[in-house]
Amino acid sequence: DGGITQSPKYLFRKEGQNVTLSCEQNLNHDAMYWYRQDPGQGLRLIYYSQIVNDFQKGDIAEGYSVSREKKESFPLTVTSAQKNPTAFYLCASSIAGIQETQYFGPGTRLLVL
Amino acid sequence: AQSVSQHNHHVILSEAASLELGCNYSYGGTVNLFWYVQYPGQHLQLLLKYFSGDPLVKGIKGFEAEFIKSKFSFNLRKPSVQWSDTAEYFCAVNAKNAGNMLTFGGGTRLMVKP
Repeated sequence: DGGITQSPKYLFRKEGQNVTLSCEQNLNHDAMYWYRQDPGQGLRLIYYSQIVNDFQKGDIAEGYSVSREKKESFPLTVTSAQKNPTAFYLCASSIAGIQETQYFGPGTRLLVL
Repeated sequence: AQSVSQHNHHVILSEAASLELGCNYSYGGTVNLFWYVQYPGQHLQLLLKYFSGDPLVKGIKGFEAEFIKSKFSFNLRKPSVQWSDTAEYFCAVNAKNAGNMLTFGGGTRLMVKP
């Protein structure tokens, strides 16, 4: 069953803590993306990666970090520098190239304690 | 930087009513345009897309969108909505010089009353 999985579904972060959101895909896609979804603001791009071991900042990369050591995995770390981390985080993937459809995972909701 | 505006944040319609959701973007060059939909409890999925050619694009579930370059618009339409169309709809734009980056609008939450 091909697709994108994100875990956990809900994640709680304490003040000053770094947390990592998982994103895995078995679609053999080269490109992967992380978005943040806030009510009324749509989706904003945090980071994207077009190929293993390479990634670029999106519009709101401050306070986040990523790695792309494997084609199928693109974890996102929300660092303590991100002052307003409460949001819904969506991971997506596509065949390389923007003209290809992006496929989205189910999302992770991050809440701050 | 490019921006995308969806002016209708919430829309409530009765079944069989016609739907038009507005989408305007700010970039003046060549663009690729998308509409995505997020049904309750489901993943965000592609509804339709425009890259070139016929500016009237047909998507899944009877949806269509028209690209009007002079108005920088890509409005989504459906002649007769169903209760199952209740969802949040997102317009997205990629500018040809923006690499793989998609810019999304703020979304429109549609509720269809049975």
